[in-house]
Amino acid sequence: DTGVSQDPRHKITKRGQNVTFRCDPISEHNRLYWYRQTLGQGPEFLTYFQNEAQLEKSRLLSDRFSAERPKGSFSTLEIQRTEQGDSAMYLCASSLAPQGAGETQYFGPGTRLLVL
Amino acid sequence: AQKITQTQPGMFVQEKEAVTLDCTYDTSDPSYGLFWYKQPSSGEMIFLIYQGSYDQQNATEGRYSLNFQKARKSANLVISASQLGDSAMYFCAMIRGFTGGGNKLTFGTGTQLKVEL
Repeated sequence: DTGVSQDPRHKITKRGQNVTFRCDPISEHNRLYWYRQTLGQGPEFLTYFQNEAQLEKSRLLSDRFSAERPKGSFSTLEIQRTEQGDSAMYLCASSLAPQGAGETQYFGPGTRLLVL
Repeated sequence: AQKITQTQPGMFVQEKEAVTLDCTYDTSDPSYGLFWYKQPSSGEMIFLIYQGSYDQQNATEGRYSLNFQKARKSANLVISASQLGDSAMYFCAMIRGFTGGGNKLTFGTGTQLKVEL
């Protein structure tokens, strides 16, 4: 069983460009989460999917951010018109739910984004 | 709202010694879960150990144990027999005990652990 994978691992882009990240969860996991982690901080929740439905979005997720999980398997996170403040590590996690307080999320290696 | 506090930005420990990383939490939920993750410089968050709020015994996983003191709202991680490979950032995190929807993790700011020879 492979773990969560993310692609690309690193992305450098110029301000104003669009970027798209991909996450492949653990195969039997029905929930998929996106988090953002800036330097010196813990990850912060962005959004999550149960199967193909996007059920919650953080207020951190501005209109420039969009996420999809079209067939309930892999997910993409797109950032339009990137800004320097978008520079961060974007982490994807998956879990098997519902398990209440025992829901363990397994993370991928992350995508480091640098906006110049 | 849930909150996790990690007051130790950095810790040093000698190889083969034990070390305790502190974590306190705040929540009004009666049911919740507490997690510790390890983040090496490569960036991946590695799950280490889990403690449920109703668990009677402290969780253990190999060299990791969780010192859970519910009344004090603390969930400290104890690493025994430290190894050089334990050098990393360690995050304490919390989840609601809620099966009706998504369970986002709330993280602390982390503790950077360095194991020395």
